[in-house]
Amino acid sequence: AQSVTQLGSHVSVSEGALVLLRCNYSSSVPPYLFWYVQYPNQGLQLLLKYTTGATLVKGINGFEAEFKKSETSFHLTKPSAHMSDAAEYFCAVSDRGGYQKVTFGTGTKLQVIP
Amino acid sequence: GAGVSQSPRYKVAKRGQDVALRCDPISGHVSLFWYQQALGQGPEFLTYFQNEAQLDKSGLPSDRFFAERPEGSVSTLKIQRTQQEDSAVYLCASSLGGTLNQPQHFGDGTRLSIL
Repeated sequence: AQSVTQLGSHVSVSEGALVLLRCNYSSSVPPYLFWYVQYPNQGLQLLLKYTTGATLVKGINGFEAEFKKSETSFHLTKPSAHMSDAAEYFCAVSDRGGYQKVTFGTGTKLQVIP
Repeated sequence: GAGVSQSPRYKVAKRGQDVALRCDPISGHVSLFWYQQALGQGPEFLTYFQNEAQLDKSGLPSDRFFAERPEGSVSTLKIQRTQQEDSAVYLCASSLGGTLNQPQHFGDGTRLSIL
């Protein structure tokens, strides 16, 4: 079964600092990979996804992630944190075939310190 | 509205009661998903519909959980004889089709508390 592991349930960064949220996946074949963001009392919003092609994926709000097959990783980065980035972030994985059954990680709560 | 709408936003029920949670997907979206999100956890898949057909219900935790989408639009998740472990946020998502090129759009969820 596919799974993702998010390292660090809580991450704190200063405003303007680099954001790095870590995600490693487990899959027998390269899967589809996603990052979602969830603000308090809201549903999830897709930040970016990797399906095929370029391994560096750019998403909304200045976030990007790089698929590294050799490291089975899909870490999320943003060069400069804004206060509005404070939220919970979920890494997710899906099979390449079939419909969009997505398996989520346990989440990383990002705190941005002014 | 243009987004996925879930109702009620909050539901409190006594243990043993039945509850029904509603999801209005984006108009025209073929695929509909239900997820359960326990406190401090990521969402976990419950079930998937393509139009009115329930193609995957492998994530439903017990036979107390039942979902339907009779006309291929609105969906209802029903939980019978609720237990305290059913307390969670229930998220609904819809997408235009069944492929991963079409993103899932999530509702804001129903927070269910079982006393």
